[in-house]
Amino acid sequence: EVHLLESGGGLVQPGGSLRLSCAASGFTFSSYVMNWVRQAPGKGLEWVSTISGSGGSTYYADSVKGRFAISRDKSNNTLYLQLNSLRAEDTAVYYCAKVAAMATIGALDYWGQGTLVTVSS
Amino acid sequence: QLVLTQSPSASASLGASVKLTCTLSSGHSSYSIAWHQQQPEKGPRYLMKLNNDGSHNKGDGIPDRFSGSSSGAERYLTISSLQSEDEADYYCQTWDTGIIFGGGTKLTVL
Repeated sequence: EVHLLESGGGLVQPGGSLRLSCAASGFTFSSYVMNWVRQAPGKGLEWVSTISGSGGSTYYADSVKGRFAISRDKSNNTLYLQLNSLRAEDTAVYYCAKVAAMATIGALDYWGQGTLVTVSS
Repeated sequence: QLVLTQSPSASASLGASVKLTCTLSSGHSSYSIAWHQQQPEKGPRYLMKLNNDGSHNKGDGIPDRFSGSSSGAERYLTISSLQSEDEADYYCQTWDTGIIFGGGTKLTVL
């Protein structure tokens, strides 16, 4: 059974940093593109970042480019998102999500339960 | 630019059927999409991948009451025999160099 479990969220001051983790199990982690998606309070879903199975290719939404960094560690089946230079508008629940098809971007077929990041002084 | 458009809200009565629409932007009518359900205070849940020919692959445990269909640039999610737990936000999603979401439709079950 596929399972994704995010952690690392919390309260951080504007300009601060945070690292989110997503522990994956139940599938061959290195074979699948992984993603971070966020949802601000009362708003819709917003794509944040995507990483290839090998970790060699990464993609970012314009709103986070240059501030956030996605990475993955196949030795412990974990996806990461480093959040730097945080702003109030980054306040959201952050979800990790797996792509359905191997080795390509596409439909997201499994989601974690999310971790809340609050940026406030 | 690849954009997905959804109506902000929809409503239907308990036991009835409802058809939600997701419209692909001009020039992108061949794209596949996915439908996701988000119940109140929960994370999103994958419902199905829907292709431009109307074929679809549902996620694990998704009831037969949920089905998908396509016509041109429109992608539909039909929910039949509506139940109270179907009251949720429904998002369509597609992909190119990144992931794109529609704005979501809030479904109210009367």
